[in-house]
Amino acid sequence: SQQGEEDPQALSIQEGENATMNCSYKTSINNLQWYRQNSGRGLVHLILIRSNEREKHSGRLRVTLDTSKKSSSLLITASRAADTASYFCAPGGYNKLIFGAGTRLAVHP
Amino acid sequence: NAGVTQTPKFQVLKTGQSMTLQCAQDMNHNSMYWYRQDPGMGLRLIYYSASEGTTDKGEVPNGYNVSRLNKREFSLRLESAAPSQTSVYFCASSEGSGGGTDTQYFGPGTRLTVL
Repeated sequence: SQQGEEDPQALSIQEGENATMNCSYKTSINNLQWYRQNSGRGLVHLILIRSNEREKHSGRLRVTLDTSKKSSSLLITASRAADTASYFCAPGGYNKLIFGAGTRLAVHP
Repeated sequence: NAGVTQTPKFQVLKTGQSMTLQCAQDMNHNSMYWYRQDPGMGLRLIYYSASEGTTDKGEVPNGYNVSRLNKREFSLRLESAAPSQTSVYFCASSEGSGGGTDTQYFGPGTRLTVL
């Protein structure tokens, strides 16, 4: 299956702290995408990392990809209350994107 | 640009009733998708359309039908609703012709309750 599995399932931190979420997958991929879902809303694309990239930055987001371990991580630095959301990884191969259950992040003021 | 729009936002049905969920995108995207999300779960793909005139089954197609009316619109029909279809339904679109490499853009969702 191309499905990503996020870990941990839930994460609770204070504002200003860093949040790290992990994703593991089982098949070969062309890229891996991360999405955010605020409560009751649709998913929003955050960042895409290609299989030949090891690290990518976008603002306070840092994504790493280790294709040998079939894993990725999403780091949110200096978190804010507005970062409270669910985060999903989506490994991208030749089939459709399949989303895991996500990591629920709560950032407390 | 409105992006991806869905109607209705909320719907309550009785078991056995039918309804159609509407989705439209104004980004000239080739591919469109329908997902369902149950509480505390990720998204599960119901059907997708890689181009106008084509549709394919996803993970959980039973109980649903779809129509790619034109490049902009992709509808999802429940012919005989069941309580197990209570969920939030999301439509999405992407620029390419499907595959796992496209960035997807999501609508706001339709919250469906089947009594």
